[in-house]
Amino acid sequence: QSVLTQPPSASGTPGQRVTISCSGSSSNIGSNTVNWYQQLPGTAPKLLIYSNNQRPSGVPDRFSGSKSGTSASLAISGLQSEDEADYYCAAWDDSLNEVFGGGTKLTVL
Amino acid sequence: QVQLVQSGAEVKKPGASVKVSCKASGYTFTSYGISWVRQAPGQGLEWMGWISAYNGNTNYAQKLQGRVTMTTDTSTSTAYMELRSLRSDDTAVYYCARAVAPWAAFDIWGQGTMVTVSS
Repeated sequence: QSVLTQPPSASGTPGQRVTISCSGSSSNIGSNTVNWYQQLPGTAPKLLIYSNNQRPSGVPDRFSGSKSGTSASLAISGLQSEDEADYYCAAWDDSLNEVFGGGTKLTVL
Repeated sequence: QVQLVQSGAEVKKPGASVKVSCKASGYTFTSYGISWVRQAPGQGLEWMGWISAYNGNTNYAQKLQGRVTMTTDTSTSTAYMELRSLRSDDTAVYYCARAVAPWAAFDIWGQGTMVTVSS
């Protein structure tokens, strides 16, 4: 029962484009920026997208983020096998807590 | 390089306390804060709180208020997270992460510390 709602799973074939959605409310996504994290199996999360659509240095431009109203999405183009991971969205909530989505497990078929 | 290195795994009994450390290197410690995030086995991420390494100001998750204390030691560039009155559902991997403010992105993460609470 995470505050932000993500689909539990997503999949695609190599080279395909996939999107992962993240739904919130006016108190979090609706009024604050969204960040995305990638967690490869057995490792710590890594910042993938910040401030809705900004990529940290070193993150390939295959990854992109967007936000509209109380929803956000992460898009991965040119899907690669190494993209197989869990993806989490996060946003600050006006209740003064950072809130996360439940995570989406991406499978590369 | 910029990194956060955490202390090793812990096994605690219910009702005990645990203190996890997070040593920063490669950047000016007091220019940022540290957030703590935990992940129960097979579960998602849960934010625990944030501390400013500049002035020690804290912002704790409402759920953990009264059980968690975050501190920093600027002389060693180390952040600490203490959780008291441990319960079995506190079993998780605990991560520290660098964040310039409570609402900012977590741009550098520690490797994680497994805390197991079991009788």
